[in-house]
Amino acid sequence: EDQVTQSPEALRLQEGESSSLNCSYTVSGLRGLFWYRQDPGKGPEFLFTLYSAGEEKEKERLKATLTKKESFLHITAPKPEDSATYLCAVQAKTRGTPPGGSTLGRLYFGRGTQLTVWP
Amino acid sequence: KAGVTQTPRYLIKTRGQQVTLSCSPISGHRSVSWYQQTPGQGLQFLFEYFSETQRNKGNFPGRFSGRQFSNSRSEMNVSTLELGDSALYLCASSLADRPKSYEQYFGPGTRLTVT
Repeated sequence: EDQVTQSPEALRLQEGESSSLNCSYTVSGLRGLFWYRQDPGKGPEFLFTLYSAGEEKEKERLKATLTKKESFLHITAPKPEDSATYLCAVQAKTRGTPPGGSTLGRLYFGRGTQLTVWP
Repeated sequence: KAGVTQTPRYLIKTRGQQVTLSCSPISGHRSVSWYQQTPGQGLQFLFEYFSETQRNKGNFPGRFSGRQFSNSRSEMNVSTLELGDSALYLCASSLADRPKSYEQYFGPGTRLTVT
């Protein structure tokens, strides 16, 4: 069964203290891996998509990388406004037409890492 | 470009009632997916619609249903509400019609409380 595991569950950093969040996955054929940021009471905000091992994407203080088994979200010199829950999701390649239809549009989410950055 | 909108933002219902939630996708997006988010289970996939057809369905009981209209707007319905249906219901839209176009953009969600 397709699974996504994120670690750590919670992370507290001092402002400026860089760190990495991990997302490990098992999926039969990766179509894409997605990173989202979610603030309390709001919908997830799209950050990155990674499609193949070795790919990297950057946005401000965030950098996402992908291997064949896991992805990392590196946070460089974080600020208090980076505090949020970071979610990882994977999308599998379609398996044809199983009961319920294809898996094409389905994202499998991890439980997230709750990041707190204090001044 | 306007983002995904969901209405209503908050709902309080009683057990046994039914509820309909609405989602308007980003202009041009033909795929709409629905997710349920709870503290205990995280984000769980409900179903996905593409061009008015349900293309994918998660492991939820038949009380959860949805549909999509010709303008890509989508509704989901939950009948015979149970206390455990209390959750944040999220809608996401995507192009999903060509390689590398499957990013999903989420709306703000509808917070449903069942009493």
